[in-house]
Amino acid sequence: GIQVEQSPPDLILQEGANSTLRCNFSDSVNNLQWFHQNPWGQLINLFYIPSGTKQNGRLSATTVATERYSLLYISSSQTTDSGVYFCAGGSLDSNYQLIWGAGTKLIIKP
Amino acid sequence: EAGVAQSPRYKIIEKRQSVAFWCNPISGHATLYWYQQILGQGPKLLIQFQNNGVVDDSQLPKDRFSAERLKGVDSTLKIQPAKLEDSAVYLCASSLDRWGLRGTGQETQYFGPGTRLLVL
Repeated sequence: GIQVEQSPPDLILQEGANSTLRCNFSDSVNNLQWFHQNPWGQLINLFYIPSGTKQNGRLSATTVATERYSLLYISSSQTTDSGVYFCAGGSLDSNYQLIWGAGTKLIIKP
Repeated sequence: EAGVAQSPRYKIIEKRQSVAFWCNPISGHATLYWYQQILGQGPKLLIQFQNNGVVDDSQLPKDRFSAERLKGVDSTLKIQPAKLEDSAVYLCASSLDRWGLRGTGQETQYFGPGTRLLVL
């Protein structure tokens, strides 16, 4: 089955710093989503991005489907960006069930 | 637009008791998902509904877990009897549709606040 690897597992940054989070897939996926889980447990969908590049404010994401990876960029980090970032992807092989990575835990210090 | 609603937010029960969780998806969303999230891990899909039919329940422990979505809108997940290892957050999500052509986004999933279950 599809395997999802996220890196780094943990990241501690000062407010204002930029960061890049990576997600690698063992197989092609065509339903790739990025989520942010805040410290209170709420999961927020950031991007639906099976391919290409999208931007939303300080966040942007790029998926290179042919090379089976996706990147999430966070610029000018704020303390509210703290939490766990998950990527998840699915394909016909997974019956389009999303297969989730273990997450990147991000802590932004003031 | 109202988001995905879940209740209760917290529940503490003794092992072998039963418990039920309720979810109301975003209006118009055909697909509803129940996930289990254990501390420190990503969510694990338990069951997926398309309208009022089950699409995927391969990871649902059917000897103790059951779920229904009778009218294709809200849904209930039940555990009976509960075990200690069922302590987790139960998340409900919905999407416009199950999947579509690449890039349509109709399978984008939106999550409720979750129910934190503690089994003692």
